Amino acid sequence: DIQMTQSPASLSASLGETVSIECLASEDIYNNLAWYQQKPGKSPQLLIYYASSLQDGVPSRFSGSGSGTQYSLKINSLESEDAATYFCLQDSEYPWTFGGGTKLELK
Amino acid sequence: EVQLQESGPGLVKPSQSLSLTCSVTGYSITSNYWGWIRKFPGNKMEWMGYISYSGSTSYNPSLKSRISITRDTSKNQFFLQLNSVTTEDTATYYCARYTIATPMDAWGQGASVTVSS
Repeated sequence: DIQMTQSPASLSASLGETVSIECLASEDIYNNLAWYQQKPGKSPQLLIYYASSLQDGVPSRFSGSGSGTQYSLKINSLESEDAATYFCLQDSEYPWTFGGGTKLELK
Repeated sequence: EVQLQESGPGLVKPSQSLSLTCSVTGYSITSNYWGWIRKFPGNKMEWMGYISYSGSTSYNPSLKSRISITRDTSKNQFFLQLNSVTTEDTATYYCARYTIATPMDAWGQGASVTVSS
Protein backbone atom coordinates (compact mmCIF):
# COMPACT_ATOMS: atom_id res chain seq x y z
CA ASP A 1 0.00 0.00 0.00
CA ILE A 2 1.11 3.58 -0.62
CA GLN A 3 1.85 5.34 2.65
CA MET A 4 0.82 8.98 3.01
CA THR A 5 2.73 11.04 5.57
CA GLN A 6 0.98 14.29 6.37
CA SER A 7 2.46 17.24 8.27
CA PRO A 8 2.06 19.00 10.54
CA ALA A 9 -0.37 17.06 12.72
CA SER A 10 -1.67 20.32 14.14
CA LEU A 11 -1.37 23.96 13.29
CA SER A 12 -2.38 27.21 14.96
CA ALA A 13 -2.71 30.37 12.91
CA SER A 14 -4.36 33.77 13.01
CA LEU A 15 -7.13 35.16 10.86
CA GLY A 16 -5.76 36.51 7.60
CA GLU A 17 -2.60 34.39 7.68
CA THR A 18 -1.52 31.89 5.02
CA VAL A 19 -0.80 28.27 5.96
CA SER A 20 0.46 25.19 4.15
CA ILE A 21 -0.06 21.50 4.82
CA GLU A 22 2.12 18.83 3.25
CA CYS A 23 1.62 15.24 2.18
CA LEU A 24 4.44 12.94 1.22
CA ALA A 25 3.68 9.72 -0.63
CA SER A 26 5.85 6.62 -0.31
CA GLU A 27 5.97 6.42 -4.11
CA ASP A 28 5.04 8.48 -7.15
CA ILE A 29 1.27 9.03 -7.24
CA TYR A 30 1.24 11.00 -10.50
CA ASN A 31 -0.78 13.93 -9.15
CA ASN A 32 -3.59 11.64 -8.01
CA LEU A 33 -3.95 13.49 -4.75
CA ALA A 34 -7.01 15.04 -3.16
CA TRP A 35 -7.50 17.29 -0.16
CA TYR A 36 -10.49 17.25 2.17
CA GLN A 37 -11.77 19.46 4.96
CA GLN A 38 -13.72 17.98 7.82
CA LYS A 39 -15.40 19.85 10.65
CA PRO A 40 -16.50 18.14 13.87
CA GLY A 41 -19.65 16.11 13.42
CA LYS A 42 -19.70 16.73 9.68
CA SER A 43 -18.74 14.66 6.68
CA PRO A 44 -15.56 15.43 4.72
CA GLN A 45 -15.76 18.01 1.95
CA LEU A 46 -13.65 17.69 -1.19
CA LEU A 47 -11.50 20.78 -1.71
CA ILE A 48 -8.89 19.82 -4.31
CA TYR A 49 -8.50 16.86 -6.65
CA TYR A 50 -5.78 15.83 -9.06
CA ALA A 51 -3.35 17.79 -6.91
CA SER A 52 -4.43 21.27 -8.00
CA SER A 53 -7.99 21.21 -9.39
CA LEU A 54 -10.39 23.21 -7.26
CA GLN A 55 -13.68 21.47 -6.60
CA ASP A 56 -16.79 23.43 -7.60
CA GLY A 57 -17.94 25.80 -4.88
CA VAL A 58 -14.67 25.81 -2.97
CA PRO A 59 -13.25 29.30 -2.27
CA SER A 60 -10.24 30.29 -4.33
CA ARG A 61 -8.17 30.91 -1.20
CA PHE A 62 -7.62 27.14 -1.22
CA SER A 63 -5.00 25.86 -3.63
CA GLY A 64 -3.07 22.67 -4.17
CA SER A 65 0.28 21.97 -5.73
CA GLY A 66 2.91 19.31 -6.05
CA SER A 67 4.04 16.40 -8.14
CA GLY A 68 5.65 13.01 -7.81
CA THR A 69 5.65 12.18 -4.11
CA GLN A 70 5.30 15.67 -2.58
CA TYR A 71 2.08 17.68 -2.40
CA SER A 72 0.79 20.65 -0.49
CA LEU A 73 -2.41 22.46 0.32
CA LYS A 74 -2.23 26.22 0.82
CA ILE A 75 -4.92 28.29 2.45
CA ASN A 76 -4.62 32.04 1.92
CA SER A 77 -6.17 34.72 4.09
CA LEU A 78 -7.50 32.39 6.77
CA GLU A 79 -11.09 32.87 7.81
CA SER A 80 -12.76 31.63 10.98
CA GLU A 81 -14.70 29.00 9.03
CA ASP A 82 -11.42 27.36 7.98
CA ALA A 83 -10.92 25.88 11.46
CA ALA A 84 -11.17 22.16 10.70
CA THR A 85 -9.18 18.99 10.14
CA TYR A 86 -7.64 18.60 6.70
CA PHE A 87 -6.47 15.36 5.19
CA CYS A 88 -5.04 14.14 1.94
CA LEU A 89 -6.03 11.08 -0.07
CA GLN A 90 -4.08 9.29 -2.77
CA ASP A 91 -6.33 7.86 -5.46
CA SER A 92 -3.52 6.66 -7.69
CA GLU A 93 -3.55 3.03 -6.67
CA TYR A 94 -5.92 0.76 -4.79
CA PRO A 95 -6.25 0.55 -1.90
CA TRP A 96 -6.61 4.31 -1.70
CA THR A 97 -4.90 5.65 1.40
CA PHE A 98 -5.23 8.74 3.54
CA GLY A 99 -2.84 11.02 5.33
CA GLY A 100 -3.09 11.21 9.10
CA GLY A 101 -4.79 14.60 9.12
CA THR A 102 -3.91 18.14 10.19
CA LYS A 103 -6.00 19.93 12.76
CA LEU A 104 -6.07 23.66 12.02
CA GLU A 105 -6.91 25.92 14.92
CA LEU A 106 -7.57 29.63 14.55
CA LYS A 107 -6.07 31.85 17.22
CA GLU B 1 -28.31 17.32 -5.73
CA VAL B 2 -27.06 13.93 -4.63
CA GLN B 3 -27.59 13.02 -0.99
CA LEU B 4 -26.38 9.94 0.85
CA GLN B 5 -27.55 8.66 4.22
CA GLU B 6 -26.15 5.78 6.23
CA SER B 7 -28.31 3.68 8.51
CA GLY B 8 -27.84 0.63 10.68
CA PRO B 9 -27.17 -0.55 14.21
CA GLY B 10 -24.91 1.59 16.33
CA LEU B 11 -23.80 -1.33 18.50
CA VAL B 12 -22.55 -4.71 17.32
CA LYS B 13 -21.21 -7.57 19.42
CA PRO B 14 -17.75 -9.00 18.77
CA SER B 15 -17.68 -11.87 16.25
CA GLN B 16 -21.00 -10.76 14.76
CA SER B 17 -21.60 -8.97 11.45
CA LEU B 18 -21.86 -5.26 10.93
CA SER B 19 -24.45 -4.26 8.35
CA LEU B 20 -25.03 -0.76 7.07
CA THR B 21 -27.25 0.69 4.36
CA CYS B 22 -26.51 3.76 2.27
CA SER B 23 -29.63 5.35 0.80
CA VAL B 24 -28.98 7.63 -2.15
CA THR B 25 -31.32 10.32 -3.43
CA GLY B 26 -30.93 12.69 -6.34
CA TYR B 27 -28.64 10.40 -8.33
CA SER B 28 -28.76 6.87 -9.64
CA ILE B 29 -26.32 4.31 -8.26
CA THR B 30 -26.23 2.78 -11.72
CA SER B 31 -23.86 5.62 -12.57
CA ASN B 32 -20.36 6.11 -11.16
CA TYR B 33 -18.91 4.42 -8.09
CA TRP B 34 -20.16 4.04 -4.55
CA GLY B 35 -17.87 3.33 -1.67
CA TRP B 36 -17.42 2.90 2.05
CA ILE B 37 -14.81 4.66 4.14
CA ARG B 38 -14.34 4.54 7.88
CA LYS B 39 -12.77 6.85 10.42
CA PHE B 40 -11.36 5.34 13.58
CA PRO B 41 -11.16 6.99 16.98
CA GLY B 42 -7.98 9.06 16.74
CA ASN B 43 -8.89 10.14 13.21
CA LYS B 44 -7.17 7.54 11.06
CA MET B 45 -9.20 6.93 7.91
CA GLU B 46 -9.46 3.77 5.83
CA TRP B 47 -10.87 3.24 2.35
CA MET B 48 -12.86 0.00 2.54
CA GLY B 49 -14.10 -0.63 -0.97
CA TYR B 50 -16.60 0.22 -3.67
CA ILE B 51 -19.33 -1.07 -5.89
CA SER B 52 -19.43 0.27 -9.40
CA TYR B 53 -22.23 1.33 -11.71
CA SER B 54 -22.15 -2.17 -13.20
CA GLY B 55 -22.13 -3.97 -9.87
CA SER B 56 -18.47 -4.90 -9.85
CA THR B 57 -16.67 -4.53 -6.55
CA SER B 58 -13.21 -3.78 -5.21
CA TYR B 59 -12.14 -4.20 -1.61
CA ASN B 60 -9.25 -3.21 0.59
CA PRO B 61 -7.06 -6.30 1.00
CA SER B 62 -6.66 -5.42 4.69
CA LEU B 63 -10.26 -6.49 5.16
CA LYS B 64 -9.57 -9.80 3.43
CA SER B 65 -12.68 -11.90 3.07
CA ARG B 66 -14.66 -10.13 5.82
CA ILE B 67 -16.19 -7.45 3.61
CA SER B 68 -19.02 -7.48 1.12
CA ILE B 69 -20.58 -4.53 -0.69
CA THR B 70 -23.85 -5.13 -2.52
CA ARG B 71 -26.67 -3.03 -3.90
CA ASP B 72 -30.39 -2.84 -4.63
CA THR B 73 -30.83 -0.67 -7.67
CA SER B 74 -34.63 -0.70 -7.33
CA LYS B 75 -34.28 1.10 -4.02
CA ASN B 76 -31.17 3.07 -5.01
CA GLN B 77 -29.33 1.70 -2.00
CA PHE B 78 -26.03 -0.02 -1.44
CA PHE B 79 -24.89 -2.01 1.54
CA LEU B 80 -21.86 -2.84 3.62
CA GLN B 81 -21.44 -6.10 5.45
CA LEU B 82 -18.37 -6.68 7.58
CA ASN B 83 -18.12 -10.08 9.20
CA SER B 84 -16.39 -11.30 12.35
CA VAL B 85 -16.02 -7.83 13.81
CA THR B 86 -13.74 -7.00 16.70
CA THR B 87 -13.39 -3.94 18.87
CA GLU B 88 -10.91 -2.65 16.29
CA ASP B 89 -13.80 -2.18 13.88
CA THR B 90 -15.27 0.52 16.10
CA ALA B 91 -15.43 3.57 13.84
CA THR B 92 -17.61 6.07 12.05
CA TYR B 93 -18.62 4.57 8.72
CA TYR B 94 -19.24 6.81 5.72
CA CYS B 95 -20.71 6.04 2.35
CA ALA B 96 -19.63 8.18 -0.56
CA ARG B 97 -19.85 8.66 -4.29
CA TYR B 98 -16.94 9.05 -6.60
CA THR B 99 -16.60 9.55 -10.29
CA ILE B 100 -14.04 8.74 -12.91
CA ALA B 101 -12.81 12.33 -12.59
CA THR B 102 -12.94 12.96 -8.85
CA PRO B 103 -12.51 10.93 -5.71
CA MET B 104 -15.23 11.01 -3.07
CA ASP B 105 -17.17 14.17 -3.86
CA ALA B 106 -20.36 13.43 -1.94
CA TRP B 107 -20.52 11.81 1.45
CA GLY B 108 -23.13 10.67 3.90
CA GLN B 109 -23.28 12.09 7.40
CA GLY B 110 -21.57 9.04 8.85
CA ALA B 111 -22.80 6.22 11.09
CA SER B 112 -21.06 5.62 14.38
CA VAL B 113 -20.64 1.91 15.09
CA THR B 114 -19.30 0.54 18.34
CA VAL B 115 -18.22 -3.08 18.66
CA SER B 116 -18.65 -4.14 22.24
CA SER B 117 -20.12 -6.98 24.24
